[in-house]
Amino acid sequence: DGGITQSPKYLFRKEGQNVTLSCEQNLNHDAMYWYRQDPGQGLRLIYYSQIVNDFQKGDIAEGYSVSREKKESFPLTVTSAQKNPTAFYLCASSPSGGLTGELFFGEGSRLTVL
Amino acid sequence: GQNIDQPTEMTATEGAIVQINCTYQTSGFNGLFWYQQHAGEAPTFLSYNVLDGLEEKGRFSSFLSRSKGYSYLLLKELQMKDSASYLCAVRYGGATNKLIFGTGTLLAVQP
Repeated sequence: DGGITQSPKYLFRKEGQNVTLSCEQNLNHDAMYWYRQDPGQGLRLIYYSQIVNDFQKGDIAEGYSVSREKKESFPLTVTSAQKNPTAFYLCASSPSGGLTGELFFGEGSRLTVL
Repeated sequence: GQNIDQPTEMTATEGAIVQINCTYQTSGFNGLFWYQQHAGEAPTFLSYNVLDGLEEKGRFSSFLSRSKGYSYLLLKELQMKDSASYLCAVRYGGATNKLIFGTGTLLAVQP
């Protein structure tokens, strides 16, 4: 079945460590996105990529990095520079030129920093 | 700046109708989305409005007034499984598909 796969679903990290969250899609979508969700706040855009080998900062990119070497993959690295990394991270994709441009979301990765 | 407001929580009764409101102030408006999100799960697409008026899809309908910066999601014949957060999101940014999300409305459906 087509969809977006995020891994791991749960991740624990010690302060000072970098961690990489995986996001893979087989929907043949051009655009991919990373959002962060915190209690009481809306989803906030971290990074997005509209085509391979290109990505743009979103509203809260500090302390994060991404790569887009393949159309199917858009991994997110949470670096030690991110001051408050504990959150629920959602990856999404959308087709370019789609009728509505709706986002298709993965199941999410919950990161807890100990 | 970009801002979206929606109520934090709502409660409704099984079988009833509930309306969830969303107001927004954004530049470069290019469509409004409603998503449903059950606890700990991914948001799923419910509806999309880009022109004024009502869009109906089964038990769910969504309305948009661009001049008022206002939308609502209407859920009819409520079922227990409709208990979830409902996220209002506005697309902006021209050619890019960037969305700004509201904080979500947590709907509790009671028997």
